[in-house]
Amino acid sequence: GAVVSQHPSWVICKSGTSVKIECRSLDFQATTMFWYRQFPKQSLMLMATSNEGSKATYEQGVEKDKFLINHASLTLSTLTVTSAHPEDSSFYICSAPPGGLTYEQYFGPGTRLTVT
Amino acid sequence: TQLLEQSPQFLSIQEGENLTVYCNSSSVFSSLQWYRQEPGEGPVLLVTVVTGGEVKKLKRLTFQFGDARKDSSLHITAAQPGDTGLYLCAGGTSGSARQLTFGSGTQLTVLP
Repeated sequence: GAVVSQHPSWVICKSGTSVKIECRSLDFQATTMFWYRQFPKQSLMLMATSNEGSKATYEQGVEKDKFLINHASLTLSTLTVTSAHPEDSSFYICSAPPGGLTYEQYFGPGTRLTVT
Repeated sequence: TQLLEQSPQFLSIQEGENLTVYCNSSSVFSSLQWYRQEPGEGPVLLVTVVTGGEVKKLKRLTFQFGDARKDSSLHITAAQPGDTGLYLCAGGTSGSARQLTFGSGTQLTVLP
């Protein structure tokens, strides 16, 4: 089946620094990728839709200047958390639909971000 | 805004018991998917249902899509400790965006 990878799997950074998270589709091309945030024991909250070759679409309440998204190629989307603060600590997950007629999406393994 | 409500939010049962998780919405979805997620990992797709009234079985798991495509249920027979995890339903709409709306989640714990 389709595989989506994320890097890093976990990261610890100091408050005020920026962190980049990569999401790659390994065996298919993805013109669209999705970024989610998840707090412990809670569901996934959609942050933004990453579009290859164009600007990302952010959900209401998500600061686009804080969570920079770049979809530079058909297999790579990056999420950069700028000037991170402890409240940004969370589990970040990306997903990508494999295309065609399927409604399915494949999820990455997630990135645990801890801001100290 | 489309919302999906799951119930129960938490469920702790003994091995061998049966259980049902519900996913309800006031909106119509083109598809309904169920995922299971374990701590520190991404969600893993269990099933996709697209036709109103559709029933799919996956070993001890039975999934049903409501006739009006607004609700779904997941029934597990003879639960096992390996079934423990966060169960998420997600509704999809047609169109190129393929965006999913996730339910609130059900944390299932099966005790040996």
